[in-house]
Amino acid sequence: AQKVTQAQTEISVVEKEDVTLDCVYETRDTTYYLFWYKQPPSGELVFLIRRNSFDEQNEISGRYSWNFQKSTSSFNFTITASQVVDSAVYFCALSEAEKTSYDKVIFGPGTSLSVIP
Amino acid sequence: AAGVIQSPRHLIKEKRETATLKCYPIPRHDTVYWYQQGPGQDPQFLISFYEKMQSDKGSIPDRFSAQQFSDYHSELNMSSLELGDSALYFCASSLFETPTGELFFGEGSRLTVL
Repeated sequence: AQKVTQAQTEISVVEKEDVTLDCVYETRDTTYYLFWYKQPPSGELVFLIRRNSFDEQNEISGRYSWNFQKSTSSFNFTITASQVVDSAVYFCALSEAEKTSYDKVIFGPGTSLSVIP
Repeated sequence: AAGVIQSPRHLIKEKRETATLKCYPIPRHDTVYWYQQGPGQDPQFLISFYEKMQSDKGSIPDRFSAQQFSDYHSELNMSSLELGDSALYFCASSLFETPTGELFFGEGSRLTVL
């Protein structure tokens, strides 16, 4: 069965600090996708990144970076020089793709990030 | 680019009433998913449809039903509403032919049951 764990329930950082959000996943499939979504107070789910299980390259997008390590089943997300607008709940998610191409996405419990000015 | 459209965005109902949420997927997307997100919770998968047939079922209560129509839009029908049904309901869509695993989410419909 698939499962996503985000051990950090809430994190508070001071503006301009770096922060890493942890994500550990479980799946029996060899083909799967990992995602990060941001949910600001307004409620919508904002897609940040998708990574497939065959691509372990780390990715950087502006102040955001992601570290995918299959050996530890982790897909961690780092925000560099955090800003108040980064305050949101961040969800790590997993989709298994081996059986069908319309597999649902399973979300982790989320990490609530507060960036203090 | 057109996104997933959900309506209504906000809905207030009384206990035991019925509510219907609508979802219009991205044009050409043939797969629709419904999620329920309670306060302080992560989105929970309810049900999905591919080509008007139910493709997967999650933690959807028996009081809820859903369907996908020939134009691929979907409706989630909720009857005998309970206080615990108050939540943000997300619809997402994808295209079966391009199994990238990515779901495109709508902005959600917020249901409040009084």
